[in-house]
Amino acid sequence: DGGITQSPKYLFRKEGQNVTLSCEQNLNHDAMYWYRQDPGQGLRLIYYSQIVNDFQKGDIAEGYSVSREKKESFPLTVTSAQKNPTAFYLCASSIGQGANNEQFFGPGTRLTVL
Amino acid sequence: QQPVQSPQAVILREGEDAVINCSSSKALYSVHWYRQKHGEAPVFLMILLKGGEQKGHEKISASFNEKKQQSSLYLTASQLSYSGTYFCGTDQPYNQGGKLIFGQGTELSVKP
Repeated sequence: DGGITQSPKYLFRKEGQNVTLSCEQNLNHDAMYWYRQDPGQGLRLIYYSQIVNDFQKGDIAEGYSVSREKKESFPLTVTSAQKNPTAFYLCASSIGQGANNEQFFGPGTRLTVL
Repeated sequence: QQPVQSPQAVILREGEDAVINCSSSKALYSVHWYRQKHGEAPVFLMILLKGGEQKGHEKISASFNEKKQQSSLYLTASQLSYSGTYFCGTDQPYNQGGKLIFGQGTELSVKP
């Protein structure tokens, strides 16, 4: 079955540590996205990528980094520079560029900083 | 700029109708609608492109008023399974990369 997988589902991190969230898709989609979700604030775009080896900052990129070395994979690193990293992180993909393409979401990773 | 959704929350009895609105201060090229159950991933409902065409399936439909820069989602004869948080995602003309800006969400609860 095609889809998007994110791991782990729950992640706990100590303050000052970097952590990497995994996102893999087997839908053969070109575009991939990372969102952060906080209660009452909807989805906010962190980074997005339209093609392998290329990515752009979203609205809240500070304290995060990404890579897109393979079409199927778009990992997100939450660095120690991110001041308030506790949140629900969602990865999504779409078949191509253009906002007339629906986005498919993964199940999410809930990150808690202790 | 983030679109504004209204109402923020609504409680319905099974069989009742609801309308959720999404308004933007900027011109729009398209509007997406998604539904998210608690703790789960958002699920795509529909896309509306500029032109005002009303789209939908079964008892959920939507309209897009390009001139007013707003979209409305119509839920008819609501079912328990309609409960969740509804998000609109907006795209602006000449936007590169398919970026969407999502509203803050509308929480819908359908009671028996």
